[in-house]
Amino acid sequence: DSGVTQTPKHLITATGQRVTLRCSPRSGDLSVYWYQQSLDQGLQFLIQYYNGEERAKGNILERFSAQQFPDLHSELNLSSLELGDSALYFCASSVEPSGMGEQYFGPGTRLTVT
Amino acid sequence: TQLLEQSPQFLSIQEGENLTVYCNSSSVFSSLQWYRQEPGEGPVLLVTVVTGGEVKKLKRLTFQFGDARKDSSLHITAAQPGDTGLYLCAVDQTGANNLFFGTGTRLTVIP
Repeated sequence: DSGVTQTPKHLITATGQRVTLRCSPRSGDLSVYWYQQSLDQGLQFLIQYYNGEERAKGNILERFSAQQFPDLHSELNLSSLELGDSALYFCASSVEPSGMGEQYFGPGTRLTVT
Repeated sequence: TQLLEQSPQFLSIQEGENLTVYCNSSSVFSSLQWYRQEPGEGPVLLVTVVTGGEVKKLKRLTFQFGDARKDSSLHITAAQPGDTGLYLCAVDQTGANNLFFGTGTRLTVIP
């Protein structure tokens, strides 16, 4: 158990819909990262937050957005969903926001868009 | 062209055999990490290598960082079914701890 929790574990929705994925980092970790894992693209970094502020963006679509709340939990919002958005979405957390410190990954949310 | 190419893509071996998987790039990195991901779970960090030529051992796993810091290898001795999983190498391209992952090697160890 990494100490990172993600809900829901599975999500099935239709094209065009909007969903919210939730992540609670390990106790004491200020940095939260979101990753997408799909069969064709592998594991890709989406976005990073540190202590409530956006710190870095990766390959995140404009239809996707995220935020980190004062209690440090984070949400990833996916809108106007397409079939190609079906993937595993992982949240990770770390103590430090830089320096290639260890990231602890949650169990993921499996999103299926039909 | 992928920044980090891992080979082989798939590997199926018998319990007790040895194996090596590779992570290659044309770029130079200050450090590199190896993760293992088991089905239904998130990746778990195995090791971080930071010095060219560095060798690190973790029980039956031996990790090496290339002298030029462009490539790395993972050697498993006497593989066990518990070693089954997806092995990923990763680097931090930006300095902000945002990991870029390789293409992965999916290992299956048959009892």
